[in-house]
Amino acid sequence: GESVGLHLPTLSVQEGDNSIINCAYSNSASDYFIWYKQESGKGPQFIIDIRSNMDKRQGQRVTVLLNKTVKHLSLQIAATQPGDSAVYFCAERGLYNQGGKLIFGQGTELSVKP
Amino acid sequence: DGGITQSPKYLFRKEGQNVTLSCEQNLNHDAMYWYRQDPGQGLRLIYYSQIVNDFQKGDIAEGYSVSREKKESFPLTVTSAQKNPTAFYLCATQSSGLTDTQYFGPGTRLTVL
Repeated sequence: GESVGLHLPTLSVQEGDNSIINCAYSNSASDYFIWYKQESGKGPQFIIDIRSNMDKRQGQRVTVLLNKTVKHLSLQIAATQPGDSAVYFCAERGLYNQGGKLIFGQGTELSVKP
Repeated sequence: DGGITQSPKYLFRKEGQNVTLSCEQNLNHDAMYWYRQDPGQGLRLIYYSQIVNDFQKGDIAEGYSVSREKKESFPLTVTSAQKNPTAFYLCATQSSGLTDTQYFGPGTRLTVL
């Protein structure tokens, strides 16, 4: 069945280092992917998205990479700051998902050490 | 969030009671969604609506009900039939189009006493 999973449930990095959060997906028909950041007690916040016709997309301090061959998605955060500490979710949407439904992974908790 | 408001932020319910969670948006988005989040887990879809006066069940609709009488509003009722309602409930909206992202409200934390 469809699933979106994350390789690591927790990630601890030093302030100033780069962070890489990984995500595997199993539905080859998925054509749109999103990364969200969720701080404790708050709703998920949109970070960046990418369509399946792209391999890479950059935002402010963040880059998303998509490898369709191995069905792998990653989020890179440059110069990680304490304010980046949160749970990060990837989500996918299949081209034919009824109603634009998103499928979410379980999340990776990023902890930034000062 | 921003253009999506959820109320109340915290809600306590006694067993056997129905409660209604509010979700309002001023983004003029067509689609609205309700998700449930349990500790340490991802989001699971309860119900969604793509247009006024129409809605569909998500993956875990049992024990919940919704209505969509206005474009701006998509309230969720947690009924007494929901066996384990304690969770964090999130409302999201999306404008029309397959590649438009979903934006989330701040959430309501429901606790059954």
